[in-house]
Amino acid sequence: EDKVVQSPLSLVVHEGDTVTLNCSYEVTNFRSLLWYKQEKKAPTFLFMLTSSGIEKKSGRLSSILDKKELFSILNITATQTGDSAIYLCAVEGNTGNQFYFGTGTSLTVIP
Amino acid sequence: DSGVTQTPKHLITATGQRVTLRCSPRSGDLSVYWYQQSLDQGLQFLIQYYNGEERAKGNILERFSAQQFPDLHSELNLSSLELGDSALYFCASSPQASPGVGTQYFGPGTRLLVL
Repeated sequence: EDKVVQSPLSLVVHEGDTVTLNCSYEVTNFRSLLWYKQEKKAPTFLFMLTSSGIEKKSGRLSSILDKKELFSILNITATQTGDSAIYLCAVEGNTGNQFYFGTGTSLTVIP
Repeated sequence: DSGVTQTPKHLITATGQRVTLRCSPRSGDLSVYWYQQSLDQGLQFLIQYYNGEERAKGNILERFSAQQFPDLHSELNLSSLELGDSALYFCASSPQASPGVGTQYFGPGTRLLVL
């Protein structure tokens, strides 16, 4: 059964801390892995990863994919209260263009 | 603002009823995706349309149906509603048939409450 598992489920940190969010997957015919940030409304796109070992970076956020071990991590350095959100990981399979989402990691950054 | 619009924003209805959720994709996007997000299930892919044709099907119940019209807007029809259908329904759009070469842009969602 295809699935995406994110950990931890929830995380509370202080401003300035660095966090690492994990996403592991078992999806037939992997095509891409995507990270989204969901605040109160719709998920917003962060990164799309298709190749192993190539880090994608945007400001304080970075992500990398390991297609051999079937996981990805999302790093956030020097966290700010505005980083508080649910971070979703999604994997696209090539079979029927299916999308599988994890249940998300809830990040709370306290001042 | 992603450019994807969804109406209505909130919907409250009773069990057994039927509702229609509407989505307008970003200008130029041909693909529309529907998702259901409930507290216990997370985000679940329901169905995808590309340029008017069904392209992929996920965990969509038989009581649910969707279509994409020539102007590319899409409607998700939910019938014989049950309490468990209460959720946030998202629509997303992308330019391509497969977002492996692009990404999806999510609308603000329609919150459905079935009483």
